[in-house]
Amino acid sequence: SQELTQPPSVSVSPGQTATITCSGPALGERNVCWYQQRPGQSPLLVIYQETKRPSGIPERFSGSNSGNTATLTITGTQTLDEADYYCQAWDSSTAHLLFGGGTKLTVL
Amino acid sequence: QVRLVQSGAEVRKPGASVKVSCRPSGYTFTSHALHWVRQAPGQRLEWMGWINTGSSDTKYSQKFQGRVAISRDTSASTAYMDLSGLRSEDTAVYYCARDPWMDVWGQGTMVTVSS
Repeated sequence: SQELTQPPSVSVSPGQTATITCSGPALGERNVCWYQQRPGQSPLLVIYQETKRPSGIPERFSGSNSGNTATLTITGTQTLDEADYYCQAWDSSTAHLLFGGGTKLTVL
Repeated sequence: QVRLVQSGAEVRKPGASVKVSCRPSGYTFTSHALHWVRQAPGQRLEWMGWINTGSSDTKYSQKFQGRVAISRDTSASTAYMDLSGLRSEDTAVYYCARDPWMDVWGQGTMVTVSS
């Protein structure tokens, strides 16, 4: 199967822009979702179909996807954005759903 | 309000089986497929499979093929995930999540496998 690769950790200062990447073969041709998971909580969908935000997700969360890399961008990062973030995509070659390894976002 | 309510924590011995339930509310049960995802302590999310709640068609991750069975009972509006041949590595939180996009998740069910 084709794996999705994320950096293990990203650190930003409050108010700065956080960028989290997700890489995989031909990822730009697939629908990508992003999930936020705070400690002890269930994951929360923050981006779907690469760029769309579910109702209730702040505008500071945005997504893009091109080539082999999808990107989650958090503009004006806040301390409450500190969490693990996972990308997800469907692997049509195996008909399996894949998750990236997760990125721990630290805001300090 | 759309919710997915899962059954409570379970403890099993190695070799045993466990069945976790997931009961949606706030929408028509058969209108959305359901995925099952697990997360071992400190580890990534791992997709196990899904079920079309209307047709009961299923698709499983190759990793769990032969050990997992996902089913649904439309009369009870409930989906189930049955994992057999448990080993210590199956200790994890098991989640159900609504398709598409996994926009709604259950609260998670902790399954502990220990002798």
